[in-house]
Amino acid sequence: DAGVTQSPTHLIKTRGQQVTLRCSPKSGHDTVSWYQQALGQGPQFIFQYYEEEERQRGNFPDRFSGHQFPNYSSELNVNALLLGDSALYLCASSLGGDTDTQYFGPGTRLTVL
Amino acid sequence: AQSVAQPEDQVNVAEGNPLTVKCTYSVSGNPYLFWYVQYPNRGLQFLLKYITGDNLVKGSYGFEAEFNKSQTSFHLKKPSALVSDSALYFCAVRGLTGGFKTIFGAGTRLFVKA
Repeated sequence: DAGVTQSPTHLIKTRGQQVTLRCSPKSGHDTVSWYQQALGQGPQFIFQYYEEEERQRGNFPDRFSGHQFPNYSSELNVNALLLGDSALYLCASSLGGDTDTQYFGPGTRLTVL
Repeated sequence: AQSVAQPEDQVNVAEGNPLTVKCTYSVSGNPYLFWYVQYPNRGLQFLLKYITGDNLVKGSYGFEAEFNKSQTSFHLKKPSALVSDSALYFCAVRGLTGGFKTIFGAGTRLFVKA
């Protein structure tokens, strides 16, 4: 049973560019959450997708957007990249309940130059 | 507002000794509490969670945590530390008023010396 997978592993972009990160949830999971983990900090909640809709959003600007597909996989899009967007982006999958455990993928390391 | 505090940036312990990694939280209503571990350049691995019921929760790799409502704490413990336990540990909370948003602490780095 494959766990949560993310692609790409690493990515280097320049300021102002746009990036798309991808996530495939653990088999049987229908909910995907995205987190940003800056160096030396804990993960910060970006948003959560459930039934192909954004169910809840953290304190991130509209430059951060996402999508969930019918097979429950998800994309995170970031427009107009800033240096401060450099971080490890983590995807977590779970079942839809509020007490359910989130299982994390290995992350995508984004570097903005 | 929901919050999580991990008061120690780093914990050092000798192999074979008991370890404790501290966590306190602030949330309206009953909290849902989690512990995760992160190894270098890896995602987070789930260790254990408290939802309701017995205050002592047992998890993976011999770890356990005790929920203390009066002290709003959820400390992670292990009776005998291993060198391989050296990693970054995160406490997280989800509360009713926060919906599905999970708040993570800043993390505590655990060093286990042989």
